[in-house]
Amino acid sequence: DVKVTQSSRYLVKRTGEKVFLECVQDMDHENMFWYRQDPGLGLRLIYFSYDVKMKEKGDIPEGYSVSREKKERFSLILESASTNQTSMYLCASSSLAGGSETQYFGPGTRLLVL
Amino acid sequence: LAKTTQPISMDSYEGQEVNITCSHNNIATNDYITWYQQFPSQGPRFIIQGYKTKVTNEVASLFIPADRKSSTLSLPRVSLSDTAVYYCLVGDGGFGMRFGAGTRLTVKP
Repeated sequence: DVKVTQSSRYLVKRTGEKVFLECVQDMDHENMFWYRQDPGLGLRLIYFSYDVKMKEKGDIPEGYSVSREKKERFSLILESASTNQTSMYLCASSSLAGGSETQYFGPGTRLLVL
Repeated sequence: LAKTTQPISMDSYEGQEVNITCSHNNIATNDYITWYQQFPSQGPRFIIQGYKTKVTNEVASLFIPADRKSSTLSLPRVSLSDTAVYYCLVGDGGFGMRFGAGTRLTVKP
């Protein structure tokens, strides 16, 4: 089975702190994604990566950056956390398989910024 | 990006069949239709995917009419554990697929 793990289930940070969210997948997938999920808004795509050191902005990249130095690891960085970044963050991975591509999700990190 | 529209919420009772319809009027020729299920405090998980006609697996069935402008996820004989949010996605790969708000299904005893 594909396994996607995230470094923390719960995280509490203060405004202005630099925050790192780590995601690791064990299936050699090319693609990795970061989403945030807020009540009533579904999942919104922040960034995605289709290869090592490659990244593309999603729909809401402002205030975030990402890093992919190894194929299995995709990091989301909040350079200076703000209260409006309090959210559930979900990482996913998928394989390049044309139209039948399926995303596999991690358990999520619930971030609270005070 | 193909936009999808699905009901915000649905209620059902244990043992009933539940059908959730998703509209995707601007679906492209290469697009697949994929449904995910999400339980509270978990990431979404893949349920079923199809391109046309009918697809069935051990969890659900997916009905897609010839014009492909809509699709219906069918859950047979739901139980309380099927209470979740169900997302319909349309696209030809992860980069072009977006999650909407989903349909919150509540199964009552």
